Amino acid sequence: GENVEQHPSTLSVQEGDSAVIKCTYSDSASNYFPWYKQELGKRPQLIIDIRSNVGEKKDQRIAVTLNKTAKHFSLHITETQPEDSAVYFCAAFYSASKIIFGSGTRLSIRP
Amino acid sequence: NAGVTQTPKFRVLKTGQSMTLLCAQDMNHEYMYWYRQDPGMGLRLIHYSVGEGTTAKGEVPDGYNVSRLKKQNFLLGLESAAPSQTSVYFCASRQPRTPRGADTQYFGPGTRLTVL
Repeated sequence: GENVEQHPSTLSVQEGDSAVIKCTYSDSASNYFPWYKQELGKRPQLIIDIRSNVGEKKDQRIAVTLNKTAKHFSLHITETQPEDSAVYFCAAFYSASKIIFGSGTRLSIRP
Repeated sequence: NAGVTQTPKFRVLKTGQSMTLLCAQDMNHEYMYWYRQDPGMGLRLIHYSVGEGTTAKGEVPDGYNVSRLKKQNFLLGLESAAPSQTSVYFCASRQPRTPRGADTQYFGPGTRLTVL
């Protein structure tokens, strides 16, 4: 069945450095790829998304890239700050009924 | 503007009991979703709705029922709770945009359910 693999499961970076999280999806019919940030004990928040007709999207320090041929998309966070520490989830929307989430990446920012 | 709210925030049930979780949104979003999140895992879609009066099954619908009689409310029911349904339940609303635009999505604060 459809699957979304997310790597790495944990990531620790020095404050100010960049962080990259990658997701690979299995169904080429997927057309929408959001990224969510979830702080400990809180609700997920949509932070950026990309559609299958776009290759890259940027919003201040975060960006998402999509490679449809390889079926993977990545989240890039530059100039990381302590408040970036959280669990990040990717998702692939295959249809209204098929929304598959990755298993999450716990990002820690070292001071 | 409260966004997405969920009630209750916490609940403990005994096996076989029933309950209803309420999700409400005040943003006039068309789509609403119920997810469950188990420890160390991503969210899994239980049921969803693309508009008032419509509901459909997601990835893990067994043991749950839903209703969306009003556009702003999406109810999740457990008819006979089982320990495997112990989880954190999140409701979400979404308003898709044009292909080049951005979606608007918000999650509720979650309901922590324990089934003994």
